[in-house]
Amino acid sequence: DAEITQSPRHKITETGRQVTLACHQTWNHNNMFWYRQDLGHGLRLIHYSYGVQDTNKGEVSDGYSVSRSNTEDLPLTLESAASSQTSVYFCASSEGTGDFRNTGELFFGEGSRLTVL
Amino acid sequence: AQTVTQSQPEMSVQEAETVTLSCTYDTSESDYYLFWYKQPPSRQMILVIRQEAYKQQNATENRFSVNFQKAAKSFSLKISDSQLGDAAMYFCAYRFYNNNDMRFGAGTRLTVKP
Repeated sequence: DAEITQSPRHKITETGRQVTLACHQTWNHNNMFWYRQDLGHGLRLIHYSYGVQDTNKGEVSDGYSVSRSNTEDLPLTLESAASSQTSVYFCASSEGTGDFRNTGELFFGEGSRLTVL
Repeated sequence: AQTVTQSQPEMSVQEAETVTLSCTYDTSESDYYLFWYKQPPSRQMILVIRQEAYKQQNATENRFSVNFQKAAKSFSLKISDSQLGDAAMYFCAYRFYNNNDMRFGAGTRLTVKP
């Protein structure tokens, strides 16, 4: 069965360290997204990609970067982790739009809990 | 920018009864999609129901149904015959039809009492 997996599921790091969260999907979806989930804010979009070599900033992109070298993977990098980046991070993917019948449903990974001390 | 508002941070319902979760959104677009996602304690995000804005008929999925009021920009979720397994965080979400990113509300935590 197709799926989307994230690793690590839990990570504790120190302020100032670089951290990379991995996301791998086997849906063969063009679109991939990174969200962070914080109490009272729901899910907020960090970065997204519509295909290989394409990346775009979301509403809370400061301090984060992504790269898309193949269809399956979209790693999220925190260049210099800050305590404000303590959160649960979700990767998601969806089929492309352009077909009005495609609702663009998101398929989510299980989340990665990151704690920055 | 599109925003999604869930005005009920927490709701509770007695098992077997019905509960309605509220969602409003702000958009200037006429073609879009709306979703309700469920997040149980396992943290996995699960799609509950979806609604295409161009459809007047309200979507239903078994015990889950929506009341979509396009003019009022309202999209509430009704859960009938509530079960203990319905206890979760519920998120309302919006996506403009020609845009791939989805915007979420802050969520409503639903408790089901036995």
